[in-house]
Amino acid sequence: DIQMTQSPPSLSASIGDRVTITCQASQDIRNYLNWYQQKPGKAPKLLIYDASKLETGVPSRFSGGGSGTHFVFSINDLQPEDLATYYCQQYDYIPRTFGQGTKLEIK
Amino acid sequence: QVQLQESGPGLVKPSETLSLMCSVSGHSVGTPISNGGYYWTWIRQRPGKGLEWIGYVYNSGIADYNPSLKSRLTMSVGISKNQFSLTLRSVTAADTAVYYCAKEGGAVAGYFDTWGQGILVFVSS
Repeated sequence: DIQMTQSPPSLSASIGDRVTITCQASQDIRNYLNWYQQKPGKAPKLLIYDASKLETGVPSRFSGGGSGTHFVFSINDLQPEDLATYYCQQYDYIPRTFGQGTKLEIK
Repeated sequence: QVQLQESGPGLVKPSETLSLMCSVSGHSVGTPISNGGYYWTWIRQRPGKGLEWIGYVYNSGIADYNPSLKSRLTMSVGISKNQFSLTLRSVTAADTAVYYCAKEGGAVAGYFDTWGQGILVFVSS
């Protein structure tokens, strides 16, 4: 299985901050990498697909980049509603695998 | 717009079989991938844990499973009712989780852009 390693596991930031999460794949997954946001008690929501493409309706303060084994996800101008856990996920191989998640707290 | 809704028991006894259904609206589950169909997917999340891909079914019945669950797992498509299903045999407490059905985009779109609300399944005697 492809191992997806996210860091940090958790972070705390203030409204208006820029936050960055990284995701490392155990082998080359080209750009077959997606990012999801999961709020407590809710299903995950797709934010970024193919490493850098913004899903329709998602605010432009969310962005992603990278290819191969190293990927980055950022939120600019952090808002209170961004309180959530964020997951990366690869789809180059079966089984599909997710990172362990990054829990974002608002200071 | 595709919508998904899980259904099934909230409690299953250890060693028994878990059966879940996902009802689909807005698209035919039997549509082949080559004709714009999708991979109909199950994902679970153990309490307080991350997301685990269970498997998917497509093209009216071809399935790929997570190797960690493959020996206990069957997925199928019910075209007449526009549903797809998950059957997990010989369950243990480790199978306690929220189970989500989801749609993976298709031939060139490997992202889960539509999810059901999830169903919490306890495995307990």
